[in-house]
Amino acid sequence: DQQVKQNSPSLSVQEGRISILNCDYTNSMFDYFLWYKKYPAEGPTFLISISSIKDKNEDGRFTVFLNKSAKHLSLHIVPSQPGDSAVYFCAASRAGGYQKVTFGTGTKLQVIP
Amino acid sequence: EPEVTQTPSHQVTQMGQEVILRCVPISNHLYFYWYRQILGQKVEFLVSFYNNEISEKSEIFDDQFSVERPDGSNFTLKIRSTKLEDSAMYFCASSENAGGETQYFGPGTRLLVL
Repeated sequence: DQQVKQNSPSLSVQEGRISILNCDYTNSMFDYFLWYKKYPAEGPTFLISISSIKDKNEDGRFTVFLNKSAKHLSLHIVPSQPGDSAVYFCAASRAGGYQKVTFGTGTKLQVIP
Repeated sequence: EPEVTQTPSHQVTQMGQEVILRCVPISNHLYFYWYRQILGQKVEFLVSFYNNEISEKSEIFDDQFSVERPDGSNFTLKIRSTKLEDSAMYFCASSENAGGETQYFGPGTRLLVL
């Protein structure tokens, strides 16, 4: 089941620069797309989401862009900070009634001071 | 800030034994979930639970698994007869509303089956 794919297992970025994490999906029925951040030995922490009817959502340093025609979304972190170093999971869900979240495989981001 | 809690943080058991993983969801949340992550693999959905019954379950969630909300605060996952391949990190999650938009995850229980 590869409905949500993150093709880059890792990414290294200098502190202060932009981090761009990418995600592709195959199921056009998804209504929400989410990004979770995960530190070792902790659960995924919700970061930001976007509805399928929007193309951009911004929250502080984090912006998610959605391109429905390409079935692609990306998370931009500007400026990147060392504390952002973690595994980032792209995820998706459908609206209405106890819907499960489908996760990608994750991208490990390292922000170098 | 409210958070989902899970106990124990680590559990080691012998193959064939029963285990119960416990979760306390966020207090005003009504929708509850279990996920697992086998080492090196993606986080996988197991089951969702609402109004004291299972609303959806994955192929992984076979007859060896069960969930229960024994009181107003706890949400448990029971594995009746553990197998080696059940070794994983198990995450509980809860959400306030019916949409999957924002589920809040607990820190996980690391289960090791020997």
